[in-house]
Amino acid sequence: GAVVSQHPSRVICKSGTSVKIECRSLDFQATTMFWYRQFPKQSLMLMATSNEGSKATYEQGVEKDKFLINHASLTLSTLTVTSAHPEDSSFYICSAKLIGPDTQYFGPGTRLTVL
Amino acid sequence: DAKTTQPTSMDCAEGRAANLPCNHSTISGNEYVYWYRQIHSQGPQYIIHGLKNNETNEMASLIITEDRKSSTLILPHATLRDTAVYYCIALGGSQGNLIFGKGTKLSVKP
Repeated sequence: GAVVSQHPSRVICKSGTSVKIECRSLDFQATTMFWYRQFPKQSLMLMATSNEGSKATYEQGVEKDKFLINHASLTLSTLTVTSAHPEDSSFYICSAKLIGPDTQYFGPGTRLTVL
Repeated sequence: DAKTTQPTSMDCAEGRAANLPCNHSTISGNEYVYWYRQIHSQGPQYIIHGLKNNETNEMASLIITEDRKSSTLILPHATLRDTAVYYCIALGGSQGNLIFGKGTKLSVKP
């Protein structure tokens, strides 16, 4: 149980384009989903916390107009990287939290490469 | 959330028990100790968590000292597929977020 999927697993795009990443909780409902970013040889950094039906809470230094988060249902959150640039190339990982307990379950990640 | 400290790296022979330590001397009474691991180029995988009592599941055992200032994750029979970075995180309350440190890079060798 507690499976989280992400799509796509890998994306390559040109600079200036927008990329949407989907995060789904497959076998449970998640009131809260999280988006992380991980650069090579570094640890995961929390970007934002997304609650179903409300606006996301962004961590300091994360541009909310660049990284658009939508959490329209209890099983789906999307992250859109707008006007992507090479410095946005990274490993993006989402997680979902079960209603109640604090345990977060992570997706497999999306490797974004911006040319 | 309490800060945790872990060794940077550890080696373990295949088939032997891997004991990964974690110090969390400033942990507060309502903070749980969570363990995740990340295999290269994958999302983190939940392993186990505990508050005060020792815990065991199909993946590992978690031993928490009585004063709760440290804990040990035990993989009873390490395999090559257990090679990963292991993260120990102290997390409390429904508002807390997971804060990933550098973790321990465990290398299981044949």
